[in-house]
Amino acid sequence: DTEVTQTPKHLVMGMTNKKSLKCEQHMGHRAMYWYKQKAKKPPELMFVYSYEKLSINESVPSRFSPECPNSSLLNLHLHALQPEDSALYLCASSQAVGVANEKLFFGSGTQLSVL
Amino acid sequence: AQKITQTQPGMFVQEKEAVTLDCTYDTSDQSYGLFWYKQPSSGEMIFLIYQGSYDEQNATEGRYSLNFQKARKSANLVISASQLGDSAMYFCAMRETQTGANNLFFGTGTRLTVIP
Repeated sequence: DTEVTQTPKHLVMGMTNKKSLKCEQHMGHRAMYWYKQKAKKPPELMFVYSYEKLSINESVPSRFSPECPNSSLLNLHLHALQPEDSALYLCASSQAVGVANEKLFFGSGTQLSVL
Repeated sequence: AQKITQTQPGMFVQEKEAVTLDCTYDTSDQSYGLFWYKQPSSGEMIFLIYQGSYDEQNATEGRYSLNFQKARKSANLVISASQLGDSAMYFCAMRETQTGANNLFFGTGTRLTVIP
């Protein structure tokens, strides 16, 4: 069983909707990540939080807004998305950032469809 | 330039046989880490094995071993005694210490199908 929990597992939304993706881990990890994965492609980094502060934003459009309320929770707020934003959104965590041997623990992802 | 290259889009292996999934990488860092992840149809990325650039021994984790050839910049995954549950997408990934320690760069993946 994954120790990173993502909800919901599936989400269908219209282009005018506002929704949020949630991610939770209780491993005491201080780094959390959002990745986007299009079908048949590798995951691509969107955001990194380190000690609850945003440390990396990989030029993601502002219609994606991350939030880290505490060290265990990570949200991704979605607003005015486009159909091309349809993808699997993966959350991950690690003990810290900046260490080459740190492995990432991933959740099962949220499969998002934008109509 | 691609940091991670996986040249096998798909591989087939007979149950109980061994299979090698290829991965080559490109970095100018001296210190880096190489990872293999498995992604079944459920979507979760499952960590399999890690190899550090300074590790002299090839990493092993149960039925998984990593054939690390530093001079050739390759980090192939060997799965022994394949099982039906091994059918999944496999990604090779790299984390660099100097230039990109906050990110795992993934290859394009290899889809492995185990045949009964």
